Amino acid sequence: SQTIHQWPATLVQPVGSPLSLECTVEGTSNPNLYWYRQAAGRGLQLLFYSVGIGQISSEVPQNLSASRPQDRQFILSSKKLLLSDSGFYLCAWSVTAVSTDTQYFGPGTRLTVL
Amino acid sequence: AQKVTQAQTEISVVEKEDVTLDCVYETRDTTYYLFWYKQPPSGELVFLIRRNSFDEQNEISGRYSWNFQKSTSSFNFTITASQVVDSAVYFCALSVRGTALIFGKGTTLSVSS
Repeated sequence: SQTIHQWPATLVQPVGSPLSLECTVEGTSNPNLYWYRQAAGRGLQLLFYSVGIGQISSEVPQNLSASRPQDRQFILSSKKLLLSDSGFYLCAWSVTAVSTDTQYFGPGTRLTVL
Repeated sequence: AQKVTQAQTEISVVEKEDVTLDCVYETRDTTYYLFWYKQPPSGELVFLIRRNSFDEQNEISGRYSWNFQKSTSSFNFTITASQVVDSAVYFCALSVRGTALIFGKGTTLSVSS
């Protein structure tokens, strides 16, 4: 069965510091991968998605970036965090690149920027 | 444009009560998919159901049931005999080919014993 991991689970970072969040999927090959952010107030916002190694699409311009160095690894990064980057970051995967496919979510990373 | 509305921000019930979570969607596409996810306090979004626009048959899974009505653009979720473990935020979502998954703002369900 497929499993999705995210780490760290929680993170407290000062403004201006760098960020690296990691997501890995087990039990499947060539998954489509997604990064979402859930800010206070619950809304889920798609940040990036990837259909393959090195292929990243950005949905919302901001100071975050994503990379996919390996088939089942998806990384969310920032060079300098802003207060507004605080939130709950969720990684998800789907079998196909079709937007109507079911997405399965990881446990999330709670980021607090102080 | 596509939109999902979950008008109920918070619902509180006592254990064993039945509860219905409403979801109304908007889209001009004839082919689309609807989803429900559960987000318990731990934070992970748990997939509950996926339904396509051509299948209006209601679905039942244990204490969970879903009522899909295209005539009213609704995809409501009912929990029968609620339990404390059902306490969570529930999200309805819409997917149309070529666009990102669109989530409603969620309904927080609190079940007390």
